[in-house]
Amino acid sequence: NAGVTQTPKFQVLKTGQSMTLQCAQDMNHNSMYWYRQDPGMGLRLIYYSASEGTTDKGEVPNGYNVSRLNKREFSLRLESAAPSQTSVYFCASLGYEQYFGPGTRLTVT
Amino acid sequence: QKEVEQNSGPLSVPEGAIASLNCTYSDRGSQSFFWYRQYSGKSPELIMSIYSNGDKEDGRFTAQLNKASQYVSLLIRDSQPSDSATYLCAVVGFSGGYNKLIFGAGTRLAVHP
Repeated sequence: NAGVTQTPKFQVLKTGQSMTLQCAQDMNHNSMYWYRQDPGMGLRLIYYSASEGTTDKGEVPNGYNVSRLNKREFSLRLESAAPSQTSVYFCASLGYEQYFGPGTRLTVT
Repeated sequence: QKEVEQNSGPLSVPEGAIASLNCTYSDRGSQSFFWYRQYSGKSPELIMSIYSNGDKEDGRFTAQLNKASQYVSLLIRDSQPSDSATYLCAVVGFSGGYNKLIFGAGTRLAVHP
């Protein structure tokens, strides 16, 4: 039972490049979330998916898109990366309790 | 008013003391409350959940919930240097037709030998 997994763990992008962060959970949870966390800051919700086939914007959705591919997988895409998107990205899923993946540390130069 | 508020700290306590972390929330309808611990550079780790008024104990941790006053707290007994971390309070809120977990900004705890 792996819980919530994320790939990649680390990524360096140049400004304007695109990439997709992958997330999968094996707990059969309906709800999944993407957060970003900047140094010394709290978690900020980017997008969430309450169930397969639905997605909604969180606090800071600009510059991101998401896909809820199936019940297990929820991906986050940066179409044109900017230095302001340098952050640590966490995926999470919620059943009775919310569990987090290990995070992706993204640097945009 | 933020939906979930915590004192950012740092809260500094000596080893062996009781650390008391507090959190207030704005949505009276909230029913589920959680405490997460986050070490620097790591993902948040769930340490306590509480759903009913009163105390819930798990080892050295006690969560306390008072829905009338809209606060939830976490007590850490016999604090150890390994407890030094940021503690996040989270509350399940209902908005946009769905349940979402709403986080406070976190309280940094430093336990010194």
